[in-house]
Amino acid sequence: DAGVIQSPRHEVTEMGQEVTLRCKPISGHNSLFWYRQTMMRGLELLIYFNNNVPIDDSGMPEDRFSAKMPNASFSTLKIQPSEPRDSAVYFCASSSVSGVGETQYFGPGTRLLVL
Amino acid sequence: KQEVTQIPAALSVPEGENLVLNCSFTDSAIYNLQWFRQDPGKGLTSLLLIQSSQREQTSGRLNASLDKSSGRSTLYIAASQPGDSATYLCAVYPLSGNTPLVFGKGTRLSVIA
Repeated sequence: DAGVIQSPRHEVTEMGQEVTLRCKPISGHNSLFWYRQTMMRGLELLIYFNNNVPIDDSGMPEDRFSAKMPNASFSTLKIQPSEPRDSAVYFCASSSVSGVGETQYFGPGTRLLVL
Repeated sequence: KQEVTQIPAALSVPEGENLVLNCSFTDSAIYNLQWFRQDPGKGLTSLLLIQSSQREQTSGRLNASLDKSSGRSTLYIAASQPGDSATYLCAVYPLSGNTPLVFGKGTRLSVIA
């Protein structure tokens, strides 16, 4: 398996623009997680899905952030409008079964810079 | 709310030295504790997973211990090598609540040849 795939790997955009990050989980995994990593705050969970259904989105910073999982093999994280403070590395991870106690497999991340 | 702390934030050691990384968590009600490695510009890779009923797990030169009652875990690396240089993150899986993993901020390890 190719592992968790994320695109793009790098994104540079201007404040106010819409940003869409994409993730393809490992085939057969039914839990998917979106994280954000910064030097100041470390790794933070934004939202996660079980069987394509959002379970907890309490980590989503504000209404500018939204995430979807239309099917088991694809998820998006959208920021609209983007702001400089959104600059971070965004990781997607997936796990098998219900995700309870299972290890998570991380993608390589998308490095986002908002100017 | 579960909080995970890792000390030190950074560590530099000469090659060949044995070392210990520390992790502490505030709530002992956990499913398991996991140690991850993160190389610069890369994602996280799971190293070891310790179930709450276990005391330790070993993989090659790595040994992780768990003392749930005191809220502590250690990652022991034997005979360190320059290739071990990376950031090591500890994460706990709480028994309650919706958050599947709570991460520490990591310890950045440099092994000098």
